[in-house]
Amino acid sequence: EPEVTQTPSHQVTQMGQEVILRCVPISNHLYFYWYRQILGQKVEFLVSFYNNEISEKSEIFDDQFSVERPDGSNFTLKIRSTKLEDSAMYFCASRDTDTQYFGPGTRLTVL
Amino acid sequence: GEDVEQSLFLSVREGDSSVINCTYTDSSSTYLYWYKQEPGAGLQLLTYIFSNMDMKQDQRLTVLLNKKDKHLSLRIADTQTGDSAIYFCAESRDDKIIFGKGTRLHILP
Repeated sequence: EPEVTQTPSHQVTQMGQEVILRCVPISNHLYFYWYRQILGQKVEFLVSFYNNEISEKSEIFDDQFSVERPDGSNFTLKIRSTKLEDSAMYFCASRDTDTQYFGPGTRLTVL
Repeated sequence: GEDVEQSLFLSVREGDSSVINCTYTDSSSTYLYWYKQEPGAGLQLLTYIFSNMDMKQDQRLTVLLNKKDKHLSLRIADTQTGDSAIYFCAESRDDKIIFGKGTRLHILP
């Protein structure tokens, strides 16, 4: 069964560094998303992406964040200058007609 | 409010039924979801229900939807140790999913 994949599974970085989290959505899906889950808290929407542009973004998704679909398969989330509070699990999701399917997540630890 | 609400903890004896309750906020939500998250793992879509349905059954899982009260429940029959996880109730809102804080299901021997 096709699934969303994410790499790396765990990323450790120093505060102020740039990180890129990678996702490979399900191949025939056209809608892509990033969510995050701070430890012990609920999953929060960050951004949705369709037709090579952002459809919607939350208040969390400030100028430090960007998304890109650099080729036909990858969907990336970049954090330009990481802060301690960016430490979280980041989930990518993709959608066909109605249901979003989530990847296994990347745990980002900012030191 | 804008939150999806659910209780944080539930303890159930192995073999009994578990019922996890949730209230949501957006009456225009098209879909309501239950996701399962095991420790250190991702979000597994367990089941979902279309908003014009009252009930959906899938093997040991039964979802009940009361649209008037905006109340959603998940019943797990014959609860097993492998059901130990956090269960997230979620609603579709525009093109995003809004999650509750999750109910941690603990199985007693």
